[in-house]
Amino acid sequence: AQKVTQAQTEISVVEKEDVTLDCVYETRDTTYYLFWYKQPPSGELVFLIRRNSFDEQNEISGRYSWNFQKSTSSFNFTITASQVVDSAVYFCALSEFGNEKLTFGTGTRLTIIP
Amino acid sequence: GAGVSQSPSNKVTEKGKDVELRCDPISGHTALYWYRQSLGQGLEFLIYFQGNSAPDKSGLPSDRFSAERTGGSVSTLTIQRTQQEDSAVYLCASSPVGETQYFGPGTRLLVL
Repeated sequence: AQKVTQAQTEISVVEKEDVTLDCVYETRDTTYYLFWYKQPPSGELVFLIRRNSFDEQNEISGRYSWNFQKSTSSFNFTITASQVVDSAVYFCALSEFGNEKLTFGTGTRLTIIP
Repeated sequence: GAGVSQSPSNKVTEKGKDVELRCDPISGHTALYWYRQSLGQGLEFLIYFQGNSAPDKSGLPSDRFSAERTGGSVSTLTIQRTQQEDSAVYLCASSPVGETQYFGPGTRLLVL
């Protein structure tokens, strides 16, 4: 069975600080995909990134970066120089090869204080 | 727009009534998914369509829930004899098969 754990329920940081959101996953498959989605107050889930299990290279996109470590089954998300617009709930998710459904973590509510 | 659309945005119904929720996927996306987001249960998978077939219905919580998809496009999620515990946001997503899922804005259902 697949499982995603986001232990941080809520995080608050002051604007311009860096913040890391943790994600730990469990799966028996060797081929799987990891995702991060953002859910702003408007409610719509916005896709941020998808990684497959064979690609452990870290990814950077502007102020966002992701650290994928299979050794610790983690896929952490860092926002550098946070901004108020980053305030949202962030979800980490997993899907296994051949099983299309996403299994989500419980989400981390990030509040950026101006 | 080119994104996933859902209707209605909000639905208030009385316990025991039936409701239908609609999803229009992104054009060309053959896969379509329904999820439910509630305070107690988080984000849960309900059902997955590939074309008009539903190879995975494992998340439907009871036989009061059903879904169909026609023409490989629009999908309808039907909840019969609604209960208060059905109150949630129902999210639809679509994708090319095996690719990233893109979500619609959701339908907020409140059962009184």
